[in-house]
This record gives sequence, C-alpha cells and structure tokens, in this order.
Amino acid sequence: KAGVTQTPRYLIKTRGQQVTLSCSPISGHRSVSWYQQTPGQGLQFLFEYFSETQRNKGNFPGRFSGRQFSNSRSEMNVSTLELGDSALYLCASSFGRINTDTQYFGPGTRLTVL
Amino acid sequence: GQQVMQIPQYQHVQEGEDFTTYCNSSTTLSNIQWYKQRPGGHPVFLIQLVKSGEVKKQKRLTFQFGEAKKNSSLHITATQTTDVGTYFCAGPGGSARQLTFGSGTQLTVLP
Repeated sequence: KAGVTQTPRYLIKTRGQQVTLSCSPISGHRSVSWYQQTPGQGLQFLFEYFSETQRNKGNFPGRFSGRQFSNSRSEMNVSTLELGDSALYLCASSFGRINTDTQYFGPGTRLTVL
Repeated sequence: GQQVMQIPQYQHVQEGEDFTTYCNSSTTLSNIQWYKQRPGGHPVFLIQLVKSGEVKKQKRLTFQFGEAKKNSSLHITATQTTDVGTYFCAGPGGSARQLTFGSGTQLTVLP
C-alpha cells in the first residue's frame, strides 16, 4: 500500500506571496490532518478534514486554509506569506478519528519564506 | 487549553546505555500515542496505549501509561545508533478532536 505523498517537497517563496501544498492520503483513509513543524514550536496542529469537511482547526490565523476533495486528497493554502511561516508542513492521514487512530505522516513540504 | 509536556528536551547517551523520556499531560487522556522522527524524516507511529497502568514492549522499547492516565514514559534498553531521533508523545487535544503533540525528546547515541 502506497504511503502518504506530499508535493512539492521543497518550496521557496517571498513575503506576501501565497502557496498551495498538496497531500494524497493512504488509499481508504478519509481523514487528513495538517501540521506545522518548526524547531521552536514543535508540531502544531493546523486542521483536519474528513469526507471533505473541516472537522477541527488549530490556533492559526485565517491566512491558513485548506480543503479536501472527494478522493480524500487535500490541499493547504497559505496567503500573504510571512517570514515566520517558514517551516516543515506535514500532513497525516488516518482511517477515521484523528484522536484515536494511527496517524500516517507524509514526508512533508519544506517551505522557506524569504 | 490542554498541554503535553515532555522531558528531557535533549538526551545524549553512549551506545549501550539506557534512555527514558517522560510525557505529562495537564488533563486526563483517553489514550496516548508515541511517534519517532529520524533526522530529516517524518514522524512514524510506534504505539498507542489506552488502559490505565498499561505497559507494552517492542523489543528494547518499553512504553508505560500512568495509572491516572496523565503521564507516560518510553524506555529504551541498551540504546543503539539506530535509535537516534526525536521521540514524541501525543494525546487527544482539549476538544478531543485533535492530537496534541509533546515537544519531543531528541536522542543522540554516541558510538
């Protein structure tokens, strides 16, 4: 079974630009969650999508948004990029409930904002 | 909101020595999960504990869930260089619809 894939793997943007990251979950998984990982803040929960609906959202500004398609693939968008948005963005998929089911992480997208 | 604290933040050990990382939650957890992230990699699921006082073993790794379900530990016996990485615990968040990750313990094993 193929694992979680994320594209692109690396991205360099400048302040003020916007970016879209993509995540394809493991086949059969309907839950996709997004996390931001930085050295200072660790793994921070962004949001979770299940069957095309956002089920929960972390404490991030509205510049961070996402969506999920009918095939469970998910995209995350960050608008008006700031230097502090430089991070590794990880998505994770699970079969059902995020708080009980094993999370399978993708390799991440390394975003650098200049 | 719920907080999950992990100590120590860093640990350097000589190969063959034991290692323990501790996880403490501000609230009672219905379950706790442990993940390992190798340098340059992504978190990989290790185990989930659900019952109060539960102890599970995976070869040289021993996981415990506290009686009050507010703390957990991961103990590695006789570390090897392959154990290098950051170990995270994670528990259901305040809304119980998200996972809150601990800050992680970065393990370095010196050959």
